[in-house]
Amino acid sequence: DGGITQSPKYLFRKEGQNVTLSCEQNLNHDAMYWYRQDPGQGLRLIYYSQIVNDFQKGDIAEGYSVSREKKESFPLTVTSAQKNPTAFYLCATIDLAGSNTGELFFGEGSRLTVL
Amino acid sequence: GQNIDQPTEMTATEGAIVQINCTYQTSGFNGLFWYQQHAGEAPTFLSYNVLDGLEEKGRFSSFLSRSKGYSYLLLKELQMKDSASYLCAVTASGGSYIPTFGRGTSLIVHP
Repeated sequence: DGGITQSPKYLFRKEGQNVTLSCEQNLNHDAMYWYRQDPGQGLRLIYYSQIVNDFQKGDIAEGYSVSREKKESFPLTVTSAQKNPTAFYLCATIDLAGSNTGELFFGEGSRLTVL
Repeated sequence: GQNIDQPTEMTATEGAIVQINCTYQTSGFNGLFWYQQHAGEAPTFLSYNVLDGLEEKGRFSSFLSRSKGYSYLLLKELQMKDSASYLCAVTASGGSYIPTFGRGTSLIVHP
């Protein structure tokens, strides 16, 4: 079945450590996005990529980094520079070629807790 | 910039009708979305409006007025499983396809 796989689902990190969240999709969608969600909040855009080897900062990119070496993969690294990283992280895609709406398809999310 | 506003929380009774409003101010407009998100899960797509008017899909309907920067999601015949957060999102024009989300409305359905 086609879909978006995020791993790990739960992750604990000590302060000062970098951590990488994986996002893999087999939907053949061009665009991929990383959002962060805090309790009682909406989704805030961290980074997005609409083509391989290119990505753009979203509203809250500081303390995060990404890469897009393959169409299927868009990993997010939470660096030690991110001062408040505990949150729910959502990866999403949009089918730019086939969609006439721009609907987001989401992975199941990764919950990061800093101890 | 973009500003999207929706109520933080609403409560309703099983079997009733509830309307969740969303107002937005954006630099250009390319569509408005409603997503449903149950606690601890990812959002799922409910509806899309790009032209003024009402879009109906089963128990759920969504309305858009572009001139007023206003949308609402209407849920009929409420069920307990409709207890969730409802997110309003807007995509600005220019072909960028970068959805911006409101804070979400937490709907609690009680018996």
